[in-house]
Amino acid sequence: AQSVTQPDIHITVSEGASLELRCNYSYGATPYLFWYVQSPGQGLQLLLKYFSGDTLVQGIKGFEAEFKRSQSSFNLRKPSVHWSDAAEYFCASTSGNTPLVFGKGTRLSVIA
Amino acid sequence: DAGVIQSPRHEVTEMGQEVTLRCKPISGHNSLFWYRQTMMRGLELLIYFNNNVPIDDSGMPEDRFSAKMPNASFSTLKIQPSEPRDSAVYFCASSTGGEKLFFGSGTQLSVL
Repeated sequence: AQSVTQPDIHITVSEGASLELRCNYSYGATPYLFWYVQSPGQGLQLLLKYFSGDTLVQGIKGFEAEFKRSQSSFNLRKPSVHWSDAAEYFCASTSGNTPLVFGKGTRLSVIA
Repeated sequence: DAGVIQSPRHEVTEMGQEVTLRCKPISGHNSLFWYRQTMMRGLELLIYFNNNVPIDDSGMPEDRFSAKMPNASFSTLKIQPSEPRDSAVYFCASSTGGEKLFFGSGTQLSVL
């Protein structure tokens, strides 16, 4: 069965600092991979997705993620974090024929 | 389009009462998903529908939970009788193909 692991429950970064959120997936073939963001009291919004091709994908709000098959990872990055990026971030995967499986999320706090 | 609409936004009820959560998917989307979010378990898929037909309800915790989709523009998730451990945020999401999901704002359920 597919699974998605986000090792970090909570991360705190300073505004302007770089960010990397980790995600590891478990699936035999290449899955479809996603990052979603959830602001307090809101539903999830898609940041970016990887299906195939270039392993570095760009998303909204200045985020990017890199698919690394050898590490079964799809880490989310941003070069300079803004206070408005404080939210919960979810990694998710699907084989394409099954619903999305989500990780448990990483809560990002941004300090001045 | 107004997006996925869920009602109510908040529900407080007493143990043993029936609870009905409602969802209106985005027009034209043929897949609908119900997720439950808790601190302990993260986002769990409860059930999903394709073209109004339930495809996989293996995530429904027990017989107290039921979901219906009588037409393409409406779905309900019912809990009868409700228990305190059902307290969570329940999300509805819709899509055209099951990959990119559009989430509603969720229903915060508190069972006292």
